[in-house]
Amino acid sequence: EADIYQTPRYLVIGTGKKITLECSQTMGHDKMYWYQQDPGMELHLIHYSYGVNSTEKGDLSSESTVSRIRTEHFPLTLESARPSHTSQYLCASSEYMGGMDEQFFGPGTRLTVL
Amino acid sequence: AQSVTQLGSHVSVSEGALVLLRCNYSSSVPPYLFWYVQYPNQGLQLLLKYTTGATLVKGINGFEAEFKKSETSFHLTKPSAHMSDAAEYFCAVSDLSNTGKLIFGQGTTLQVKP
Repeated sequence: EADIYQTPRYLVIGTGKKITLECSQTMGHDKMYWYQQDPGMELHLIHYSYGVNSTEKGDLSSESTVSRIRTEHFPLTLESARPSHTSQYLCASSEYMGGMDEQFFGPGTRLTVL
Repeated sequence: AQSVTQLGSHVSVSEGALVLLRCNYSSSVPPYLFWYVQYPNQGLQLLLKYTTGATLVKGINGFEAEFKKSETSFHLTKPSAHMSDAAEYFCAVSDLSNTGKLIFGQGTTLQVKP
């Protein structure tokens, strides 16, 4: 079944730890995105990728990094987590349609940094 | 720069009543417009989108939206609210580069009272 997955769904971690949030999609989409969403707020794009070996920073500055070695996989890494990184992180993918793309979203990872 | 404004961060209706969620956009070119829904602890799901052609767009779950260029609006409606419609709703516009990136509004929480 074509879908987009995120793991873990919930993560509570101490300050200074390195974390990687996983995102995988089985739809063969070239484009993938990471959004940060605080409770009751809009989504802010922090990273996106047009395809393998392509990564770009989004509109919201983030201390996280991403990689795109395989089409289906787009992990996000925080080298040293801080309480300010506490948020929900949503991954999405789309097939390019000249701006009319429908983005498909994963269920999100809710990160809490103590 | 493009932007999206959703009027009313919280909307409360009775079950069976009309649902109206407001969205206004700012764009220097004809926009592509989207409505997404987010249920608790889940990712976003596309309700409907406007690209070109008919200005009244029908989506899933009985929702529809009308693109009004003169009012720069794309309001979401549903004739009769159901308890299962309670969720967060996001309006979005495709960015000018037509790369598939979306600019989201702040979101509107819909509460449905029995």
